[in-house]
Amino acid sequence: GAVVSQHPSRVICKSGTSVKIECRSLDFQATTMFWYRQFPKKSLMLMATSNEGSKATYEQGVEKDKFLINHASLTLSTLTVTSAHPEDSSFYICSASRGQGGEKLFFGSGTQLSVL
Amino acid sequence: AQTVTQSQPEMSVQEAETVTLSCTYDTSESDYYLFWYKQPPSRQMILVIRQEAYKQQNATENRFSVNFQKAAKSFSLKISDSQLGDAAMYFCAYRTTSAGGTSYGKLTFGQGTILTVHP
Repeated sequence: GAVVSQHPSRVICKSGTSVKIECRSLDFQATTMFWYRQFPKKSLMLMATSNEGSKATYEQGVEKDKFLINHASLTLSTLTVTSAHPEDSSFYICSASRGQGGEKLFFGSGTQLSVL
Repeated sequence: AQTVTQSQPEMSVQEAETVTLSCTYDTSESDYYLFWYKQPPSRQMILVIRQEAYKQQNATENRFSVNFQKAAKSFSLKISDSQLGDAAMYFCAYRTTSAGGTSYGKLTFGQGTILTVHP
């Protein structure tokens, strides 16, 4: 089956630093990837839609300058949390869309970000 | 915009018994997908079952089945013969089938239901 790899699985960083999270589709080309954020025992909230070769589409309330998304190839999307602060601590999950109509979705294993 | 509501924050069931998780949604679209995802403590999102709105027949996957009531906009998940491994957080999710636009492909999740299975 299709696999989406997300790295790192866990990262701890100091306040003010930037952190990059990678989401790779290992055996298919993903024209569209999605980035979600999840707080403990809460739902997944869509942050942005990442389209290969174009600018990401951010959901309302998500700071574009803080959460930089790059989708430079059909197999890789990255989320960079810039100047991270403790309130950015959260679980981040990516998903990738496969198929001509993008009808199949596959999730990465998530990244737990802790900002000290 | 579509919304998904899970009104049961927590549910519990005895091993080997049956439990039903509720989900309602709101949409103006006539065709769409509905999903149930399981998120165990590992936090990996696992697809449990999928329903296409144009199909009247309820989807089933082994011990998992849904009761899809399109007119009522209800999509409940029934887990039969519950097992300890079923313990997890379950999310109901909606996805449009309309190609194009910024909403295509994204999932709208409900609040989630934490399921505990007692031995």
